[in-house]
Amino acid sequence: DAGVIQSPRHEVTEMGQEVTLRCKPISGHNSLFWYRQTMMRGLELLIYFNNNVPIDDSGMPEDRFSAKMPNASFSTLKIQPSEPRDSAVYFCASSSGTSGRESSYEQYFGPGTRLTVT
Amino acid sequence: SQQGEEDPQALSIQEGENATMNCSYKTSINNLQWYRQNSGRGLVHLILIRSNEREKHSGRLRVTLDTSKKSSSLLITASRAADTASYFCATDVTGNQFYFGTGTSLTVIP
Repeated sequence: DAGVIQSPRHEVTEMGQEVTLRCKPISGHNSLFWYRQTMMRGLELLIYFNNNVPIDDSGMPEDRFSAKMPNASFSTLKIQPSEPRDSAVYFCASSSGTSGRESSYEQYFGPGTRLTVT
Repeated sequence: SQQGEEDPQALSIQEGENATMNCSYKTSINNLQWYRQNSGRGLVHLILIRSNEREKHSGRLRVTLDTSKKSSSLLITASRAADTASYFCATDVTGNQFYFGTGTSLTVIP
């Protein structure tokens, strides 16, 4: 398996522009997570999906951020409009766990997308 | 606020020495995991310890968990230069949803 695939790997955009980050989870995994990593705030969970359904989006910073998972093999994280404070590395991760207290599985991370908003 | 906090923030040791890093968390957990992140890369899972376990081993890694103190430790024995990375603990509070700590940056000097 190729692992979790993210694109683009690097994105530089100007403030106010729309940014779309893409993720392809590992085949067969039914949970997908979006994280943001910065020096100041560390690794933050933004949103996670189980079986393509958003379960918890409480980590999404504000309405400028939105995420979708139209099918089991693809997810997007969109920022519109982007701001300089959105500059960070965005990670997508997937796991084979299910929601509920009984199952907890390791997460497989993608290589990340380094976003720079100028 | 973040669930886990690692200590120390940075650690520098000589190759061959043991490295110990600690993680403290705030609420009851289902399990705790440790991840490694090499510079510019995504996180890689190292080991998982469940709330009813006290110690676990995997190769040169030894993890302990003390739920009464809400803390865990990761010991890397006989460290190698390739162990240079950041190490994160992640706590599972709700099931399949993890909160990562701030990380310990480990440097192993050849």
